[in-house]
Amino acid sequence: EPEVTQTPSHQVTQMGQEVILRCVPISNHLYFYWYRQILGQKVEFLVSFYNNEISEKSEIFDDQFSVERPDGSNFTLKIRSTKLEDSAMYFCASRWDATYEQYFGPGTRLTVT
Amino acid sequence: AQKVTQAQTEISVVEKEDVTLDCVYETRDTTYYLFWYKQPPSGELVFLIRRNSFDEQNEISGRYSWNFQKSTSSFNFTITASQVVDSAVYFCALKANFGNEKLTFGTGTRLTIIP
Repeated sequence: EPEVTQTPSHQVTQMGQEVILRCVPISNHLYFYWYRQILGQKVEFLVSFYNNEISEKSEIFDDQFSVERPDGSNFTLKIRSTKLEDSAMYFCASRWDATYEQYFGPGTRLTVT
Repeated sequence: AQKVTQAQTEISVVEKEDVTLDCVYETRDTTYYLFWYKQPPSGELVFLIRRNSFDEQNEISGRYSWNFQKSTSSFNFTITASQVVDSAVYFCALKANFGNEKLTFGTGTRLTIIP
């Protein structure tokens, strides 16, 4: 069964460094998303991406965040200058056109020290 | 704005007992979608079910059943004859209208099944 994959599973970085989190959505899906979950808290929406542009973003998704679909398979989230409060699990998700359920990847745990 | 409330933070039941997880939502949209996701200890989010606002039929899938009641804005999830493998955090989520892509999650209910 097709699934969303994410790399790396765990990333440790120093405050102020740039990180890129990578995702490979399910191949025939058209909508892509990033969410984050701070440890022990609820899952929060960051951004949605469709037709090569951002379709919606939350107030969390400020100028230090960016997303890109550099080729036909990858979807990336870049954090330009990480802060301690960026430490969280980051989930990528994708969905097909005709249905609304989003399928999530296994997540990347980002630890900022 | 939309909101999802899962008032039960943690529930523990003995294996084989039935358990119901509550979900109450708020939205001004007339068309919306409700979801349940399971987050096992390994951390991934597993899609369980989607329910459209215009379809109030309850659904059963094996030991799982869902009760959608528009009148009370609730979408409750029942596990019958619980098993240890059901231990996880369960999230209810809402997506409202066609122009709005995000899922709004509740705070989750941690379910522990005691063997």
